[in-house]
Amino acid sequence: EVQLLESGGGLVQPGGSLRLSCAASGFTFSSYAMNWVRQAPGKGLEWVSAIGGSGDNTFYANSVKGRFTVSRDNSKNTLFLQMNSLGAEDTAIYYCAKTTRDIRFHDSWGQGTLVTVSS
Amino acid sequence: QLVLTQSPSASASLGASVKLTCTLSSGHSNYAIAWLQQQPEKGPRYLMKLNSDGSHRKGDGIPDRFSGSSSGAERYLAISSLQSEDEADYYCQTWGTGIWVFGGGTKLTVL
Repeated sequence: EVQLLESGGGLVQPGGSLRLSCAASGFTFSSYAMNWVRQAPGKGLEWVSAIGGSGDNTFYANSVKGRFTVSRDNSKNTLFLQMNSLGAEDTAIYYCAKTTRDIRFHDSWGQGTLVTVSS
Repeated sequence: QLVLTQSPSASASLGASVKLTCTLSSGHSNYAIAWLQQQPEKGPRYLMKLNSDGSHRKGDGIPDRFSGSSSGAERYLAISSLQSEDEADYYCQTWGTGIWVFGGGTKLTVL
């Protein structure tokens, strides 16, 4: 059974940084691209970032490009999201999601970790 | 620009059927999509991948009450024999080169 467990969320001041982690199990982690998706309070889903299975290819939404960095450690089956220069608009639940083989869709999701940016 | 459009809300009675719609933007009518369900206070759940020809492949454990179909740029999610636990937000999602796109979601109320 695929399991994804996010951690690292919390309260951070505007302009601050935070690093999220997602521990994966139940599948061959290095064989799949992984994504971060966020959901602001009361709003819909917003794609944030993606990384290929080997970690060589990364993609970002325009809203986070230059501020967020996605990475992975395949030896530890863990996905990361380094978030810098955080603003109130980054307040959201952050989900990690495993993609399908063709990378187009998200077929397994974690329970999410809440990031609150506030002074 | 790749955009998915969903109606904000829908409602149907317990035991009835409902059909939700996701519309692909112009020029993208041949794209496959995925349907996701998000119950209150939970993470999203993958329901199925739906192709432009209406063929679909459901995720593990998704009941037969859920099915998908397509017509042109429209992608549909049909739910029959509605149960209380079907009350949730439903999102469609697709992929373009280097970007993943979500529709705005439809909040389904089971009366």
